Amino acid sequence: GAVVSQHPSRVICKSGTSVKIECRSLDFQATTMFWYRQFPKQSLMLMATSNEGSKATYEQGVEKDKFLINHASLTLSTLTVTSAHPEDSSFYICSASPTSGANEQYFGPGTRLTVT
Amino acid sequence: GESVGLHLPTLSVQEGDNSIINCAYSNSASDYFIWYKQESGKGPQFIIDIRSNMDKRQGQRVTVLLNKTVKHLSLQIAATQPGDSAVYFCAENLTGGFKTIFGAGTRLFVKA
Repeated sequence: GAVVSQHPSRVICKSGTSVKIECRSLDFQATTMFWYRQFPKQSLMLMATSNEGSKATYEQGVEKDKFLINHASLTLSTLTVTSAHPEDSSFYICSASPTSGANEQYFGPGTRLTVT
Repeated sequence: GESVGLHLPTLSVQEGDNSIINCAYSNSASDYFIWYKQESGKGPQFIIDIRSNMDKRQGQRVTVLLNKTVKHLSLQIAATQPGDSAVYFCAENLTGGFKTIFGAGTRLFVKA
């Protein structure tokens, strides 16, 4: 149980375009979803926390107009990277929790974004 | 500030030996700690957790030790196997559990 999927697993896009990444909880309802970014050989950095039906809470330094997060249902959250630039190339990982907190998180497999 | 760091960025061990991965945290308000394993190109995988009211917890081949006095966490892996090769992250949740802060990570190499 507690499986989280992400789609796509890899995406290449041109600079200036937007790309959407989906995060789904397959066998539970996710009250809270988290989005992380991980640069090569670095740790996971929390970007934002989203609760179903509410606006996402962004971490300091994360541009909310650039990284649009939608958590429209209890099983789906999307991250849209708008006007992508090469420096946005990274590994984006989501996690989902059946509770309102972070103490029980299930991680997705990640999405590798490359912006050319 | 809030941070979780690691003493050793890489660790190389012989197959069958025990591994110890260390982590220092700085936020005394953290009350829940987790160790994750991450293989290349994959998401983090939960290994073991411990709450701040405990100082030791054991799982299958893994043990986590928590020393709140010096704000130190360690992960012990018994009889390390090639499949244990990965990057290991410690993480802390602040009281209330609304946010997880990841440490820098340690890469474990297991030599056959």
